[in-house]
Amino acid sequence: QKEVEQNSGPLSVPEGAIASLNCTYSDRGSQSFFWYRQYSGKSPELIMFIYSNGDKEDGRFTAQLNKASQYVSLLIRDSQPSDSATYLCAVIRVTGGFKTIFGAGTRLFVKA
Amino acid sequence: NAGVTQTPKFQVLKTGQSMTLQCAQDMNHNSMYWYRQDPGMGLRLIYYSASEGTTDKGEVPNGYNVSRLNKREFSLRLESAAPSQTSVYFCASSEAQRPSHNQPQHFGDGTRLSIL
Repeated sequence: QKEVEQNSGPLSVPEGAIASLNCTYSDRGSQSFFWYRQYSGKSPELIMFIYSNGDKEDGRFTAQLNKASQYVSLLIRDSQPSDSATYLCAVIRVTGGFKTIFGAGTRLFVKA
Repeated sequence: NAGVTQTPKFQVLKTGQSMTLQCAQDMNHNSMYWYRQDPGMGLRLIYYSASEGTTDKGEVPNGYNVSRLNKREFSLRLESAAPSQTSVYFCASSEAQRPSHNQPQHFGDGTRLSIL
């Protein structure tokens, strides 16, 4: 079992719809959670982070964290073709020393 | 702002050759990281440096060495390249000396390395 799991996709949504990306993690002591966006052939760029249970909103993006269920999700409202990219979930694992563990990413395709 | 700069952007090597990937950051960050990214595998940590003068192994260190030359620069060396090291290599930096929720990692543009 991978420490951070994401559905590889591709996830395809029509323009204007809500895209929902999910991530689960195995270390219950994990503290902080990041979502990065990576366009094809480019480097990852941070979208947002969350470390408290609940929702955190930033523009069209909402991160949701449920530590009891060990999952974190990213919602993208009013999806645009420019949102088409791979979304990486990253988790700060505390057990065994502070380390950032990345998931393999979910490919999102927004159809115009 | 340059941020994190990696050189070269592309490189093709023959099996057994050596080379050094260079990384420099101009954000006065304390920690620096080297990752490799392979299809379906996500980013895997090779080595990291929490501060100038310190380096530690990550998840996949075999076949690599690193040098934290100063606070700005962190190089990755392949002593004897193997086809299994064909990958995209990313350097990253962060202000914190250890992973922190409010100090994310900033990535360079990557080096695409092919080993024949």
